[in-house]
Amino acid sequence: GNSVTQMEGPVTLSEEAFLTINCTYTATGYPSLFWYVQYPGEGLQLLLKATKADDKGSNKGFEATYRKETTSFHLEKGSVQVSDSAVYFCALHAGGTSYGKLTFGQGTILTVHP
Amino acid sequence: DTAVSQTPKYLVTQMGNDKSIKCEQNLGHDTMYWYKQDSKKFLKIMFSYNNKELIINETVPNRFSPKSPDKAHLNLHINSLELGDSAVYFCASSPQGGKYNSPLHFGNGTRLTVT
Repeated sequence: GNSVTQMEGPVTLSEEAFLTINCTYTATGYPSLFWYVQYPGEGLQLLLKATKADDKGSNKGFEATYRKETTSFHLEKGSVQVSDSAVYFCALHAGGTSYGKLTFGQGTILTVHP
Repeated sequence: DTAVSQTPKYLVTQMGNDKSIKCEQNLGHDTMYWYKQDSKKFLKIMFSYNNKELIINETVPNRFSPKSPDKAHLNLHINSLELGDSAVYFCASSPQGGKYNSPLHFGNGTRLTVT
């Protein structure tokens, strides 16, 4: 079956540090890949997505590149801010008749200190 | 102008009780979902409805019964609540029958605590 594995958290960084959160996946076919962010007390929001190999998704300074050869979709940001503190989820959609069924990674808690 | 709204935000109840969580979306989407987030933040789909028709039922106990009176609403009724049902339940919606590149829009969640 499909699965998503994220790096263990929590991750604690100082403001302006470089961020990488690793994500690898297992899926048949050609899934679409997503990063969602969950701020405290809120639901998940789409951060970025990529729908085919070598696509780069980007938003709010975050980037992730769909690497089919390494089955990875690592999230990066060059300079984090305190407001980036949240839980980050990598997810895949298997396509076809999956009707929006997302397979999520376990989430990575990010805390950014001033 | 909340896109996906759930009520209540918090629900505390005793084992054995029956409770409902309501969800409404004003995005005009045709597909709605219930996801469960456990205490370790792990998210798993429970149900998916497309145009009021059940599409996905992920081996959820039959104590959980979703109901979709129309495309904009998907409610979740839970019978005979158990301690293990304690979690945060998220409603979500998406357009285009949930095709692969349609992002999901999530509500803010309902934190259910069973004592």
